[in-house]
Amino acid sequence: GAGVSQSPSNKVTEKGKDVELRCDPISGHTALYWYRQSLGQGLEFLIYFQGNSAPDKSGLPSDRFSAERTGGSVSTLTIQRTQQEDSAVYLCASSLVFGAKMNTEAFFGQGTRLTVV
Amino acid sequence: AQKITQTQPGMFVQEKEAVTLDCTYDTSDQSYGLFWYKQPSSGEMIFLIYQGSYDEQNATEGRYSLNFQKARKSANLVISASQLGDSAMYFCAMNRFDFGNEKLTFGTGTRLTIIP
Repeated sequence: GAGVSQSPSNKVTEKGKDVELRCDPISGHTALYWYRQSLGQGLEFLIYFQGNSAPDKSGLPSDRFSAERTGGSVSTLTIQRTQQEDSAVYLCASSLVFGAKMNTEAFFGQGTRLTVV
Repeated sequence: AQKITQTQPGMFVQEKEAVTLDCTYDTSDQSYGLFWYKQPSSGEMIFLIYQGSYDEQNATEGRYSLNFQKARKSANLVISASQLGDSAMYFCAMNRFDFGNEKLTFGTGTRLTIIP
């Protein structure tokens, strides 16, 4: 597709259940980011992929959170045993990476609104 | 580590006036990029403007310009002739030019409200 695609757009789940959020980046984009945004707040960095590897997992809030990326393309963010504090909008972004002196603008998906009840 | 600071949680500006949104950053890197994004109430993140650390001239994109003062580590966004549609959250962000480590770091944002 032309842009970053995230699914589902909305997810309501019961506390304790596992959820999987999917991100389909722009074709050819090597960098992929996951962020979390709580209502009215800024963007909290979760994890960054360069290709299939994740050089920076520092933002994952607990071991209940994990992410993978396969084929340098689609990424899934998995939250196990969801808690109410996990409720937020989860945003995915992708970018081309050229290196120095190049605009590495990140394009964002529409996000997945996760509600844990 | 990189850090972005946006000190204005909210701003109210009269329509057609110019507005400056503040952004300061902290980094030990020599090569980095600075970005501004707009997030309207619909939630999408819209890229506005980019400035590279080696760019000598301030970036401009239509009504948006970035006032880049490298020595002061500031990257303020200037919106000329504000419009009602400019009401949104605005985020300043930066990354580093280090292949394999280009994490994009965001500030906490400024909520801009344009008053008719």
